[in-house]
Formats: sequence, structure tokens, C-alpha cells
Amino acid sequence: GAVVSQHPSWVICKSGTSVKIECRSLDFQATTMFWYRQFPKQSLMLMATSNEGSKATYEQGVEKDKFLINHASLTLSTLTVTSAHPEDSSFYICSARGLAGGATDTQYFGPGTRLTVL
Amino acid sequence: AQSVTQPDIHITVSEGASLELRCNYSYGATPYLFWYVQSPGQGLQLLLKYFSGDTLVQGIKGFEAEFKRSQSSFNLRKPSVHWSDAAEYFCAVGARAAGNKLTFGGGTRVLVKP
Repeated sequence: GAVVSQHPSWVICKSGTSVKIECRSLDFQATTMFWYRQFPKQSLMLMATSNEGSKATYEQGVEKDKFLINHASLTLSTLTVTSAHPEDSSFYICSARGLAGGATDTQYFGPGTRLTVL
Repeated sequence: AQSVTQPDIHITVSEGASLELRCNYSYGATPYLFWYVQSPGQGLQLLLKYFSGDTLVQGIKGFEAEFKRSQSSFNLRKPSVHWSDAAEYFCAVGARAAGNKLTFGGGTRVLVKP
């Protein structure tokens, strides 16, 4: 149980284009999803917290207009990197926190999406 | 504010030997504590967690961790490592008061020698 998927697993795009990454909780409902960024050989940095049906809360230093987050249902959150540039290249990981069933205080992570901007 | 320190960036251990990964946290109240493992190019898998109760927590893959409030530590142990345990290990702290946000340590990379 508590499986989280991400799509795509990797994506290459040209500078200036936008990229959408999906995060789905497959077998539980997630009231809250989190988006992280991880640079090579570094730890995870929280970008934003996404609550179903409300606006995302961004961490300090994260541009909300560049990283658009939508959490339209209890099983899906999307991260759109707008006008991507090479410095946005990174590993993006989402996590989901369950609504019930013992998973309410635990985050379950997706497999990550490798974004490369040329 | 929450913070987590993993003092060891790399650890090399022989297969079959014991492993201990250190984690120290800073938080004003009783935190929720987690250990996650990440294989190269993959997401994070939850090994174990501590919320309350028994301070010795058993996890998956033969791992255990002990919460020591007096030392603000939550060290991860495994009695006998397998080659498949080679990975990056992250300790994390969270709390309901902080909206269940997780703060991660810098990670410890474990290399397993045959």
C-alpha cells in the first residue's frame, strides 16, 4: 500500500518551454502533497506544499509563478515548470500524505522525475 | 525551526558487518522521525518511523532505529548488511505543528564491500 507514482520519469526539453509533471497517489487519498527538488549528491529541498482544493504554499525563495502547482483531486497533483531554463534541470520528487488509514503523518514518495533543460 | 544533521557523508562497510548511521535533530517539541533510503535515480522508500511509544523502532529490510531524547538522536542500525543495502540514507524530522513538513538531513551514502 501507499504507492505514489510520477509521470514522466524523465523529460528533456528546450529552454523556454514548459513542462508538466504529474504526481498520483495510487491506493490512498492524499489531502496534502509535497514537491521537492534534489540536486546531484544533495539532499531534498522542499519547494512547496500542495493541499487539495486550495492554493499551494511555497517555501522561501521558490518562485510561485515559475513552478505552478495544482492539486485538483485527492489523488493528483501537478507541477508545471514554466519557461524552463538550464538551471531548472534537476530531480523533482513528490510525496503524498494520506487522508486516513494510519498514513496521515507519513509522507510516501514518488520515484522522481529527471528534468533536463537544453 | 527544525534541523537534521547526519554527520557521516560516506560510510563503507563490509558485507555481513554491522552498520550504524547517525542522525541528530533539533526541534522544540517531540518530533516525528523518519529514515528513508534512496537508490540511485530513484525516489525515497520509507524504512521506519517514530511518532511515540517504544523508542526502539523496527523497520523493513532488517533495519531498526532508536530514539534517544536526551541525545536528540535517532540512529539507524542493521546487524548484518547485504550488498543490496548500498544506497543513500536520509534521516528526516517532521511535526504536525509544522504542517507535517519534513526537514531532511544531508544524507549518508553507504558503500558495501564484498
